[in-house]
Amino acid sequence: QKEVEQNSGPLSVPEGAIASLNCTYSDRVSQSFFWYRQYSGKSPELIMSIYSNGDKEDGRFTAQLNKASQYVSLLIRDSQPSDSATYLCAVSLRTGGFKTIFGAGTRLFVKA
Amino acid sequence: DGGITQSPKYLFRKEGQNVTLSCEQNLNHDAMYWYRQDPGQGLRLIYYSQIVNDFQKGDIAEGYSVSREKKESFPLTVTSAQKNPTAFYLCASSIGGGGSPYNEQFFGPGTRLTVL
Repeated sequence: QKEVEQNSGPLSVPEGAIASLNCTYSDRVSQSFFWYRQYSGKSPELIMSIYSNGDKEDGRFTAQLNKASQYVSLLIRDSQPSDSATYLCAVSLRTGGFKTIFGAGTRLFVKA
Repeated sequence: DGGITQSPKYLFRKEGQNVTLSCEQNLNHDAMYWYRQDPGQGLRLIYYSQIVNDFQKGDIAEGYSVSREKKESFPLTVTSAQKNPTAFYLCASSIGGGGSPYNEQFFGPGTRLTVL
């Protein structure tokens, strides 16, 4: 089982819709959870961090964490074509000195 | 402006050559990291350093070497022993490293290495 799993997509949503990106992880004592956005040919950009159960909102982005279900998600409201990118989920594990493991990413395509 | 710089942006290597990728940060971060990204795959950790003059192997360190003589700099050498080096190489830094759960990592723009 992969330590961090994401659906590779592509996830296609119409402009203005809510895009829902999901991530599961295997280490029960994971501490920190991150979402990165990566445009084609570019480096990842940190867009959200979440450390405790529940929701965290930042503008059009909402991160949701459920440690009991080992599940973290990212919601993008009012999706724009400029949101089209690959979204990487990253989990900081307690084992290995707080090593961060990255998922392979979900490709999101927002249709104008 | 604070940030992380990597150079060169593109690098071409002949078989049997060693090449060095530069990574510099002026964020005053203690920890620095090198990742490799292949198409359709997640980031794989090559090496990381939590403090000057100390570094640790990641998951795929074979064929790579690093140094951390200054807090700001963490160069990566891709040696001829790395049999499949063509990839996108990403350098990152964070305020804290091991022992800190709040190790948000920030990335440089990357170096794309191609073996000719």
